[in-house]
Amino acid sequence: AQSVTQLDSQVPVFEEAPVELRCNYSSSVSVYLFWYVQYPNQGLQLLLKYLSGSTLVKGINGFEAEFNKSQTSFHLRKPSVHISDTAEYFCAVTSPSYNTDKLIFGTGTRLQVFP
Amino acid sequence: IAGITQAPTSQILAAGRRMTLRCTQDMRHNAMYWYRQDLGLGLRLIHYSNTAGTTGKGEVPDGYSVSRANTDDFPLTLASAVPSQTSVYFCASGTGAAGANVLTFGAGSRLTVL
Repeated sequence: AQSVTQLDSQVPVFEEAPVELRCNYSSSVSVYLFWYVQYPNQGLQLLLKYLSGSTLVKGINGFEAEFNKSQTSFHLRKPSVHISDTAEYFCAVTSPSYNTDKLIFGTGTRLQVFP
Repeated sequence: IAGITQAPTSQILAAGRRMTLRCTQDMRHNAMYWYRQDLGLGLRLIHYSNTAGTTGKGEVPDGYSVSRANTDDFPLTLASAVPSQTSVYFCASGTGAAGANVLTFGAGSRLTVL
């Protein structure tokens, strides 16, 4: 079985400050990891994904995440946030072993950027 | 524009009534999914379909049913709605191959059961 834990339900931050949204996973098999973003009243959009290779993954809108197998983490970072980054962020996991793109999601982190 | 269409976008429903949420995709994806989103609980999988003609239960299937008569459509039915089914429902689709493509999500259907 797989699971995802997002350690912070809300993260308030001022504009132009750096931010880290934390995600830890649990899995008995190899993983594929994803970060999705949900802007208000919209569906989910992919920010970035880790499948294999380099553990540092760059995504859209200046976000990046680092896969750390020993710590079972996949934290999302941005060096300087904008007001427009205010949204809900979801970490998700699946596995190449399952031959499915069905995702297990975390509970989400609400990023609130203040001017 | 390729994507997923969900209907209705919002609905208020009396408890005990039957309701079907519609989902149509035009990407010829094999796999389709229904998630519900609740505050503090994230997205939880209700039902899924790996290909037309097959369906499976997700994490929270009770009180819901689905059908997959063709590739494009994946309706979700609440046979007798209860207040705990008040939620935002998202339909998603994918190729069915892990990691090969990402899931595409619809804009959601907000359902309130009174």
